[in-house]
Formats: sequence, C-alpha cells, structure tokens
Amino acid sequence: ETGVTQSPTHLIKTRGQQVTLRCSSQSGHNTVSWYQQALGQGPQFIFQYYREEENGRGNFPPRFSGLQFPNYSSELNVNALELDDSALYLCASSPKDRAGADTQYFGPGTRLTVL
Amino acid sequence: AQKVTQAQTEISVVEKEDVTLDCVYETRDTTYYLFWYKQPPSGELVFLIRRNSFDEQNEISGRYSWNFQKSTSSFNFTITASQVVDSAVYFCALIDGSSNTGKLIFGQGTTLQVKP
Repeated sequence: ETGVTQSPTHLIKTRGQQVTLRCSSQSGHNTVSWYQQALGQGPQFIFQYYREEENGRGNFPPRFSGLQFPNYSSELNVNALELDDSALYLCASSPKDRAGADTQYFGPGTRLTVL
Repeated sequence: AQKVTQAQTEISVVEKEDVTLDCVYETRDTTYYLFWYKQPPSGELVFLIRRNSFDEQNEISGRYSWNFQKSTSSFNFTITASQVVDSAVYFCALIDGSSNTGKLIFGQGTTLQVKP
C-alpha cells in the first residue's frame, strides 16, 4: 500500500511568484486536505478536497487555491507569494466514509522558502 | 470555538524515563474526535491514535498509553520507558463531529528530547 506522496521536497521562490505543489493520496483514499505549518507552530488547515470540489476552507486568502483530479491526487497553488508563505506544506488523505471524522494520513511535506 | 492547548513547549528526559505529554481541548460539540500525531525531524506527521468523545476508555499500545478525561477536557499521552527514537514533536489535534470539512485543529506541539 502506497502512502501519501508529495512533490517537490523543497522549493525556493521569490516574492510575487506563483508555485504549485502536488500530492498523491494514499491508495483507497478519496479526500485530500492541505495544511500550512510555519516553523515552530502546529499545522493550519488550508482546505479540503472531496470529489474534485473544495469541501471546506480555513482562514487563507483566495490566492491559495487547489484542485483535485479524478485519481484523487491534488494540487495546491499559491499566487503572488509573500515572505510569510515560507512554511512546510503538508498534504493529508483520508477515506471519507462519513463527515469530518476520518483519520488523516500525512505526506512528508514540501518545504517552501520565499525570498 | 475549538482550541487545543499543549502547555509544554519542550520536555527533556533521559532514556528509560516515563514522560507524559499534556493536551487540553475546548469545543462546544458533544461529538468530537481527538488525535495524537508524531512529527520526527523528517517532517512527516505520523498518526498515533484517534479517540471519539463517547469512548473514555484509556488505551495502551506497547509503550504508549493515552488518558482521556472528559471532565477535565484532557487527552494526555504517556510514553513508558522512553527511547531515543521517541525524540520528536508531538501534536494533539481535534475535529468536531459537526464539521464536514475535515479541519483538524492542532495544538502548538510539544518537543520531546530523549537523551541516551
């Protein structure tokens, strides 16, 4: 059974640029959630995708957007990068058999640095 | 509003000592789910346990045990006979049962250092 994978591992961008992060869900999982983890902090929920639609969103501006594909993989796009966007971005997948309570399994994360 | 508090920022113990990581949560829902995750230096969050609000039985898994007390809104995690490999950041997290978004609310984390 393949776990959650994310690419790339590390990324360096400059302020104002755009970035796309990718996530493949664990086998059998149909839901993907994205989190941002700043240094020394707990992860913060960005949004969740289920059946290719955004299923919920945290307190992040619209320049954070996402996609989910028919194979349940997902992308996180961030436009107009700001220095504060520097963080570890974690993807988690879960088998959504009922609302909200599924255990989320995390990938290794993408470390984004914005200069 | 939901909130998870892990008051211990860092804990340092010597190998073979027992250590307890504290977690206090706030929620208005009567149905909710609590989790513990481990984050080693590699960065990946590793799932340890999930507990629903209707199951107050304590759980033991090898050297790990969890104490859930609704009366004090706490879900503490104990590692018995700690080992160097237990060194990591540990996060407690909460999802409300009324949530349909899968939004995990995390605490700030407790960094555990186990010295040989």
